[in-house]
Amino acid sequence: RKEVEQDPGPFNVPEGATVAFNCTYSNSASQSFFWYRQDCRKEPKLLMSVYSSGNEDGRFTAQLNRASQYISLLIRDSKLSDSATYLCVVTTGGYNKLIFGAGTRLAVHP
Amino acid sequence: NAGVTQTPKFRVLKTGQSMTLLCAQDMNHEYMYWYRQDPGMGLRLIHYSVGEGTTAKGEVPDGYNVSRLKKQNFLLGLESAAPSQTSVYFCASIMVAGAGELFFGEGSRLTVL
Repeated sequence: RKEVEQDPGPFNVPEGATVAFNCTYSNSASQSFFWYRQDCRKEPKLLMSVYSSGNEDGRFTAQLNRASQYISLLIRDSKLSDSATYLCVVTTGGYNKLIFGAGTRLAVHP
Repeated sequence: NAGVTQTPKFRVLKTGQSMTLLCAQDMNHEYMYWYRQDPGMGLRLIHYSVGEGTTAKGEVPDGYNVSRLKKQNFLLGLESAAPSQTSVYFCASIMVAGAGELFFGEGSRLTVL
């Protein structure tokens, strides 16, 4: 079993839609959680950190469920510019080990 | 305002050749990482370093060596390239204290024929 698993998608949604991605992790000792965004053939960039209490940044909301070992990302009012691959990142042992999920691809169409 | 710089950005090798990828960061970050990214596989950790003079194996270290002689540089070497090492390689760094954002280089696309 992979340490971090994501649905690869693609999720094809119209502009204005709400879409949610989940990411499950296997190591219960995992400490920190992040969502990164990667555009085609570009480097990943931090979208947002995920806090235990949940957090929001504009149209983006991230949640953490430690009991079930998953994190989620909700995107409201999708824009064409949201089309990208969203990577879930989980850390264990401080920052010695950052594990990436394989990513979920989102395609927003007019 | 360079951040993390990788060189070269593209390279084609023949099987058995050797090469070195250079990663340089100007943010005084302690931790540096080398990842490879293959279609459908996500980013996999090859080696990492927690400070100058230290290196450690990641998830897929076989066939690669690394060195961190200076804090700002992290080198990834392929001693005898194989077609299975065709991939996109990303270097990243992070300042441990306060943690937060992992900064990536733009990637190095390597093809081994």
